[in-house]
Amino acid sequence: DTGVSQNPRHKITKRGQNVTFRCDPISEHNRLYWYRQTLGQGPEFLTYFQNEAQLEKSRLLSDRFSAERPKGSFSTLEIQRTEQGDSAMYLCASLPGELAAGELFFGEGSRLTVL
Amino acid sequence: AQSVTQLGSHVSVSEGALVLLRCNYSSSVPPYLFWYVQYPNQGLQLLLKYTSAATLVKGINGFEAEFKKSETSFHLTKPSAHMSDAAEYFCAVSHPLGRGGKLIFGQGTELSVKP
Repeated sequence: DTGVSQNPRHKITKRGQNVTFRCDPISEHNRLYWYRQTLGQGPEFLTYFQNEAQLEKSRLLSDRFSAERPKGSFSTLEIQRTEQGDSAMYLCASLPGELAAGELFFGEGSRLTVL
Repeated sequence: AQSVTQLGSHVSVSEGALVLLRCNYSSSVPPYLFWYVQYPNQGLQLLLKYTSAATLVKGINGFEAEFKKSETSFHLTKPSAHMSDAAEYFCAVSHPLGRGGKLIFGQGTELSVKP
């Protein structure tokens, strides 16, 4: 399968614990995006990378959130000291290039439940 | 600021009937507009996009959408619904000079198809 891969697919954690999600984009795509989707809502933009550079972060991304893409390939999204409000589906998507505006290829998401 | 409103969180049609999913947008500049579909347990998939060329856009699986600037609308239609069309549909907008994959999504419309 050469699509966008995310893991783990599901994560249940207790409030205050740290969690990390991984995203493997389509290999030739240099742009990688993280979105968050809560129940009954559409995805909300969190941050994006072009190669290894993080170019934009949403105000939704508090200091407890950090994202990396160290070698311009896979990316990780870490949430420290999780809160119940962090419960959501975290979506990763990749883009072939800037000219392919909006043509995102999404993974199946990582669902986080904070107890 | 840009925004998207999808009218109706749930739409139910009979198999073979017309599908009409409504989307209105707000944008200070002519936007790029998109429809994405999310089947159960799958990632979002691009159905079609409008990028200021033809106002009637054809997408995959027989769907099409028409950009109407005067009505600030981008409604999605399909002449004849099929059972396999049951899914959640998201309308999204981006600034044409924006960051490629940074989209603002509506809250989604769940389409049910009755036999």
